Amino acid sequence: GDSVTQTEGLVTVTEGLPVKLNCTYQTTYLTIAFFWYVQYLNEAPQVLLRSSTDNKRTEHQGFHATLHKSSSSFHLQKSSAQLSDSALYYCASSGSWQLIFGSGTQLTVMP
Amino acid sequence: EAAVTQSPRSKVAVTGGKVTLSCHQTNNHDYMYWYRQDTGHGLRLIHYSYVADSTEKGDIPDGYKASRPSQENFSLILELASLSQTAVYFCASSDLGYAEQFFGPGTRLTVL
Repeated sequence: GDSVTQTEGLVTVTEGLPVKLNCTYQTTYLTIAFFWYVQYLNEAPQVLLRSSTDNKRTEHQGFHATLHKSSSSFHLQKSSAQLSDSALYYCASSGSWQLIFGSGTQLTVMP
Repeated sequence: EAAVTQSPRSKVAVTGGKVTLSCHQTNNHDYMYWYRQDTGHGLRLIHYSYVADSTEKGDIPDGYKASRPSQENFSLILELASLSQTAVYFCASSDLGYAEQFFGPGTRLTVL
């Protein structure tokens, strides 16, 4: 079946340094779109980025991600992490009838 | 104004008791979902619905029932609450099954 893999459960980075959260996927169906959701402490998940176009960079709030169908990846990156970026991040793919969520990566940005 | 609301926001229940979690959306979406969130497990789909008066099982439906009496409302029912059902529960809605989902604020359930 379809799956989304986030290999890091926890990522810690120093403020001002770059950060990369990995996301790979496996799908047996035509996948419509990919998403990165962000969940701040005690809040609901909300969409940070979305993409459905191969090899096109998508940006929002300083984060960017590029869908690479050749490598089945949709990694999330930021060139300079901020304290306010500390949150739980989910990668998700839209399958035939539902969103498939990864297990999430907790990002902690240290001063 | 919040488009997906949940009630209660937190609840303490006793083992073996009945618990009902409610969700209301004003997005005019056909699809609604119930997820539970546990540390280390991310979001896991319990039940979903794509039309009123019909519900479907998700990935972890055991111990849960769902009810969709109208397009706007979707309830999650724990007939016999157990300790293992202590978690945060999120409701979400979307206009299509594969589209972006909009989440409610969550309900923190503690079963003692």
